Amino acid sequence: DAGITQSPRHKVTETGTPVTLRCHQTENHRYMYWYRQDPGHGLRLIHYSYGVKDTDKGEVSDGYSVSRSKTEDFLLTLESATSSQTSVYFCAILGQGPGELFFGEGSRLTVL
Amino acid sequence: GQQVMQIPQYQHVQEGEDFTTYCNSSTTLSNIQWYKQRPGGHPVFLIQLVKSGEVKKQKRLTFQFGEAKKNSSLHITATQTTDVGTYFCVGNSGTYKYIFGTGTRLKVLA
Repeated sequence: DAGITQSPRHKVTETGTPVTLRCHQTENHRYMYWYRQDPGHGLRLIHYSYGVKDTDKGEVSDGYSVSRSKTEDFLLTLESATSSQTSVYFCAILGQGPGELFFGEGSRLTVL
Repeated sequence: GQQVMQIPQYQHVQEGEDFTTYCNSSTTLSNIQWYKQRPGGHPVFLIQLVKSGEVKKQKRLTFQFGEAKKNSSLHITATQTTDVGTYFCVGNSGTYKYIFGTGTRLKVLA
């Protein structure tokens, strides 16, 4: 257990509303990631962070922003949610072992 | 950009049969990781391969990295119902950007 918690775990919202998902870690890992998972698409990288205030885009970053003001928290924001952003969102941290990502339990977001 | 494709997308096997999933990258990789995701769960790290031609084994699982470091395979011998899930390869080109393959969903029929 890498001490990763995601919140909320489930959320239903309406198109056009802002949504923020939180990823919290307790072990001071430098690298944190946000992925989305959709049927037929596997996991796709949205954004990642390599330190406080240091972030970079992934494969599918349009419509998403992130912030990392503290080592332990990595926030994913949908400024104006759309139905295409209905998905399961996974946060991950890069552990001490080579290339080993530890994942949170996921946040299921439904945009109506 | 980097793309990692896996085949097959789905595989149904009878319990006791072998299973193989293949991973192909459009670019040369520095290393590759494999993950397993059980239904309803999150991905769990299995192994990392780094060297050209590398072969690693974990009990009934055999992982191989291609000589050109653009492909990899995962072979499961004598599948069991506990092997059910989706297997992902993750290609890495020497950065901290980890790109998941499309995954192979394995179903094992008892």
